[in-house]
Amino acid sequence: AQSVTQLDSHVSVSEGTPVLLRCNYSSSYSPSLFWYVQHPNKGLQLLLKYTSAATLVKGINGFEAEFKKSETSFHLTKPSAHMSDAAEYFCVVSDPVGGSYIPTFGRGTSLIVHP
Amino acid sequence: SQTIHQWPATLVQPVGSPLSLECTVEGTSNPNLYWYRQAAGRGLQLLFYSVGIGQISSEVPQNLSASRPQDRQFILSSKKLLLSDSGFYLCAWSPGASGTDTQYFGPGTRLTVL
Repeated sequence: AQSVTQLDSHVSVSEGTPVLLRCNYSSSYSPSLFWYVQHPNKGLQLLLKYTSAATLVKGINGFEAEFKKSETSFHLTKPSAHMSDAAEYFCVVSDPVGGSYIPTFGRGTSLIVHP
Repeated sequence: SQTIHQWPATLVQPVGSPLSLECTVEGTSNPNLYWYRQAAGRGLQLLFYSVGIGQISSEVPQNLSASRPQDRQFILSSKKLLLSDSGFYLCAWSPGASGTDTQYFGPGTRLTVL
């Protein structure tokens, strides 16, 4: 069985400071891991994904995430926050269940960026 | 390029009324299709997914149903809406059944049941 825990429901940062959104997962297999972003009243957009290649994954808009198997973590980071980064972020794990891959979403982390 | 459409964008319905939300995908064939619900302040709940025409899997027992009458059309329905059905409904597609596949989301439908 797979599960994902986003450790913070809200993260508040000042513009120009680093961003850290934490995600821990549980999986019986070698999982695929994703981060999606959702702006208010919009659909979700892929930021980046890990699929058993390089453990440090670079995504769009300056975000990156590092897969750490020993810590079962896939934290999302960005060196310098921008006002446009304010949104909801979802960590997702995917591994085979009965032969099909059904993604499991975390509950989301709301990123608040102060000027 | 591929695009995904959902309509309507917003909907206000009385309790006990029927529901039909439509999702269509363009520019691809035989996609995996998904319906999610997002309640206020909560994460995404997978409602249904489909790997082909007429093949629907339900993740959560409830008063909703889904159908896939055509390869790139996915419909979410209810015969009688409940207050708890209010939320933001998202349709998504992925290229196949691989766990590495990205999901592509539609713009969503905001449903308010009064």
